[in-house]
This record gives sequence, C-alpha cells and structure tokens, in this order.
Amino acid sequence: GAGVSQSPSNKVTEKGKDVELRCDPISGHTALYWYRQSLGQGLEFLIYFQGNSAPDKSGLPSDRFSAERTGGSVSTLTIQRTQQEDSAVYLCASSLAGGLDTQYFGPGTRLTVL
Amino acid sequence: RKEVEQDPGPFNVPEGATVAFNCTYSNSASQSFFWYRQDCRKEPKLLMSVYSSGNEDGRFTAQLNRASQYISLLIRDSKLSDSATYLCVVNHGGSNYKLTFGKGTLLTVNP
Repeated sequence: GAGVSQSPSNKVTEKGKDVELRCDPISGHTALYWYRQSLGQGLEFLIYFQGNSAPDKSGLPSDRFSAERTGGSVSTLTIQRTQQEDSAVYLCASSLAGGLDTQYFGPGTRLTVL
Repeated sequence: RKEVEQDPGPFNVPEGATVAFNCTYSNSASQSFFWYRQDCRKEPKLLMSVYSSGNEDGRFTAQLNRASQYISLLIRDSKLSDSATYLCVVNHGGSNYKLTFGKGTLLTVNP
C-alpha cells in the first residue's frame, strides 16, 4: 500500500520567506510526527499529533514553527521568516495508534534557506 | 551527557565480516529501544526492536544491558546491502510516544 508521502521533496527559499511543508500519512494511521534532521545530527522531534488530542508541540524550536493536522489526516508544517539555520531535512512519520507503535517515515523535504 | 550516544564510525568491513555497534543512553527511565536503518539520502526504517532478553532476526542480534544503559547491534555475515547508517533509538525520558535518535553509525561493506 501507499506509504507516507511528503511534498515538496526539495525546497529552496530565501531567508525571511515563509514555507509550508506537507505530509500525507498512511491511511488509517492516527498518529503523526514531524522531525528535523540537520546535517550530521540525529533526528530531532518537533511535534506529535494523536487523534483528536492536543498536539505535543514541545519540540518546536521557536514560535516561527507551527503545524496543523486537518481532519485527522494531512499535516502541514509552516516555518515563518525562515533563517539559514532552518536548513535541514524535515521528516514526517505516522504510526497506527501512536504510543510506541512502529513509525513509518516519509521521504522527507530537503529545505535550503539561502 | 547526550541522551543517546553512538560511535559515528565509519565502519568499513569486507563482505562476510561480523560487525558490532554500540550505543549508550542517559535516561534510566527509558523502557523502549530500537535500531533503525537509514540509507543515504533516504528515510529511516525500523530494523528491529530491542528486548531485555536480547533478540535475533536472521543475521542481526540486538542486546540490551539496562544496568549499564547500553544497547548493541551485531551483524553477522555482512552483505553489501547492509551498507547504511544504523540509528540507535530510545523512548525519550520514558515517554510513551516520543523517540530520541542517536546520530547514527555509518557502515560500509566492501566487496
């Protein structure tokens, strides 16, 4: 079946611009995660959505970052006024029921801020 | 001390070799442990969970030592296709959903 998909696969933007990254989780998966992977660094947790519960936003690095999940499915990660240090691969994952269920990752969006 | 630490490598081994990766974690409240594999410029994929009694999946064996807060992965009879980065993953501070990833250990298996 279809896995997690993300778009765009690559995004180049200028410093100060806003960007939106999209994630389509596996159909039927109730939990969705966003991570960031900077060059030479481990994956960094950003945000977690589970069903209708309030999301865990504790990993968002600043108030320039926000995320939504509409209808319990598609999610959008928005970065406002991008900075060069935001350059990274942004990975989305979904799992069937949250908790420590296996997380299936999408291919990521490579963001480059010039 | 970082929450999850791994030897970054790189490990370069010939086909057929046995190679072992080690990982330490700092939070004694962590209860769940995993190894993920990440191919170059690809997304991470779960390789195997790590259980207290140790577990094996084909050529792969994972071990956990809670007292030392240490996790290992052993790959026997390595194949060219095993070349990847291996990520040690621990549930964050005992969280039941948040994972902390190590930076990974790069393995290259040579013909």
